[in-house]
Amino acid sequence: AQSVTQPDIHITVSEGASLELRCNYSYGATPYLFWYVQSPGQGLQLLLKYFSGDTLVQGIKGFEAEFKRSQSSFNLRKPSVHWSDAAEYFCAVGASSGTYKYIFGTGTRLKVLA
Amino acid sequence: DARVTQTPRHKVTEMGQEVTMRCQPILGHNTVFWYRQTMMQGLELLAYFRNRAPLDDSGMPKDRFSAEMPDATLATLKIQPSEPRDSAVYFCASGPDRTGELFFGEGSRLTVL
Repeated sequence: AQSVTQPDIHITVSEGASLELRCNYSYGATPYLFWYVQSPGQGLQLLLKYFSGDTLVQGIKGFEAEFKRSQSSFNLRKPSVHWSDAAEYFCAVGASSGTYKYIFGTGTRLKVLA
Repeated sequence: DARVTQTPRHKVTEMGQEVTMRCQPILGHNTVFWYRQTMMQGLELLAYFRNRAPLDDSGMPKDRFSAEMPDATLATLKIQPSEPRDSAVYFCASGPDRTGELFFGEGSRLTVL
């Protein structure tokens, strides 16, 4: 069965500092992997996705993520955080077999200090 | 700008009442998902459809919840009877098959008193 673990519930960083949000997944084959961001009172917005190919994927708003099969991880990174990045971030895994069943992690809430 | 539209945005009701939430997916998207978000459980997948056919509703309490797609432009999630533990934000999302990306609506916040 698919599962996603985001071990950090809350993360606080200073504006301008680098960021890494962790995501580990469980899936029998190579999954489809996603990172979404949710601002308060809003729906989720896609930041980036990995299907195949280059394991380092670039997304919107300066975010990137790296797929590491050996570690079953898909960590999200940003070299310099802006105050507007404060939000909740969700990692998701989708079945590559075509069932299109998406499972989300529990989310990591990011706080940015000025 | 295409978007997923959900109604109502907010709903307050009393225990035992029927609640219907509606979703208009993005035109051309053939997968539709219903999620429930709470502080305790996070985002839970309730049901999803592909080409209007229900593929999986195992996450949904069958005795009180039902999800349908009467046509390609409308998905509904019904709770009857509602209970206080159903209080949550319910999200609808749609996506085109090929990209796998989901587009979320802004959610329906349900409060059951």
